[in-house]
Amino acid sequence: AQTVTQSQPEMSVQEAETVTLSCTYDTSENNYYLFWYKQPPSRQMILVIRQEAYKQQNATENRFSVNFQKAAKSFSLKISDSQLGDTAMYFCAFMKLLSGGSNYKLTFGKGTLLTVNP
Amino acid sequence: DSGVTQTPKHLITATGQRVTLRCSPRSGDLSVYWYQQSLDQGLQFLIQYYNGEERAKGNILERFSAQQFPDLHSELNLSSLELGDSALYFCASSVDPGRGNEQFFGPGTRLTVL
Repeated sequence: AQTVTQSQPEMSVQEAETVTLSCTYDTSENNYYLFWYKQPPSRQMILVIRQEAYKQQNATENRFSVNFQKAAKSFSLKISDSQLGDTAMYFCAFMKLLSGGSNYKLTFGKGTLLTVNP
Repeated sequence: DSGVTQTPKHLITATGQRVTLRCSPRSGDLSVYWYQQSLDQGLQFLIQYYNGEERAKGNILERFSAQQFPDLHSELNLSSLELGDSALYFCASSVDPGRGNEQFFGPGTRLTVL
């Protein structure tokens, strides 16, 4: 079974600074997808960024970028120029093809609670 | 706003009761997923439907069932409720499960079992 590990339960950063959230995963699959989701106090799950395992280039989305190390099974999220609105729980998620067909499910890590301080 | 709607927003009920949670996917999305978020278990995949058919099952209890209707909305039925079923239940939808498309989440239904 796939597992996703986020080793930092909580982190904090000063506004305008950069912070990196760690994520490692365990899989024997070669093709899969990785995601970072953000869950602010409203509880809404919001997609932050996505990475396809077959792509070597790291995904970027404005102030958010990832460092994808496939051999090391590592997928960290870097947030640059942190803003107060970035305060949220961040979940790393792994998506693989389920056996028997073209079906996918997300396996989530436990989350990292990020607080951006003014 | 993800375009996925869930009702009700909050639900308070007693042990032993049965409830139904409803989800409407984004326009054009054929696949619906249900997830449970609890303090002790985290976010867990429960079940997936695609165009009316069950496609995958996760950690879904036998007391729980789901279905997807011809208009593509989905319902999650929870019966013989226990205190431990208290959680936030999310519905998500995607266009094509075969292409690893992003799943867009609804706002969730918070279930409290007293």
